[in-house]
Amino acid sequence: RKEVEQDPGPFNVPEGATVAFNCTYSNSASQSFFWYRQDCRKEPKLLMSVYSSGNEDGRFTAQLNRASQYISLLIRDSKLSDSATYLCVVNKDAGNNRKLIWGLGTSLAVNP
Amino acid sequence: EPEVTQTPSHQVTQMGQEVILRCVPISNHLYFYWYRQILGQKVEFLVSFYNNEISEKSEIFDDQFSVERPDGSNFTLKIRSTKLEDSAMYFCASRGDFQETQYFGPGTRLLVL
Repeated sequence: RKEVEQDPGPFNVPEGATVAFNCTYSNSASQSFFWYRQDCRKEPKLLMSVYSSGNEDGRFTAQLNRASQYISLLIRDSKLSDSATYLCVVNKDAGNNRKLIWGLGTSLAVNP
Repeated sequence: EPEVTQTPSHQVTQMGQEVILRCVPISNHLYFYWYRQILGQKVEFLVSFYNNEISEKSEIFDDQFSVERPDGSNFTLKIRSTKLEDSAMYFCASRGDFQETQYFGPGTRLLVL
């Protein structure tokens, strides 16, 4: 089983749509969880951290289910500028090292 | 806003040549990382560095790779004898103490011919 698994997509949605991405991770000892966004040929940029209680940042909502080892990202009222690859990222290191383990990413295209 | 910088943005080299990729992490950060991303593939951890030594390295980070923080501001990745399969985007990241977030530089695109 892959350490971090995502549906690669692509997801093609019209502007204004709601879209949800899912991610599963294999290591139950994983400590922290993130969604990064990556535009074509650019560096990954942190979109949001993911907490067990769920967290929301504007149109973006992230959820974590530790029992199922499952992470989700919901984007509401999608904009053209949301078109990117969304990377599910897990840190399984409880110490100071904090190396990140990455999913392959889910590609989103928002169409006018 | 402080940011991680990397040079060069692009590097083309011949197989077998040495390359040095440079990074300037955010100034008060203590933890430094190199990741790579082969075109069309996922981002992969290479190495982490703290307190002037490697804290962890992946299987990819073999004897051909080395890292150094030569002067307190730069953080370099050296590939001694490049192979075709080293062609990738190399990202440097840094993190402050007691922080979760790693901040990424814009990357160096390495092409080995």
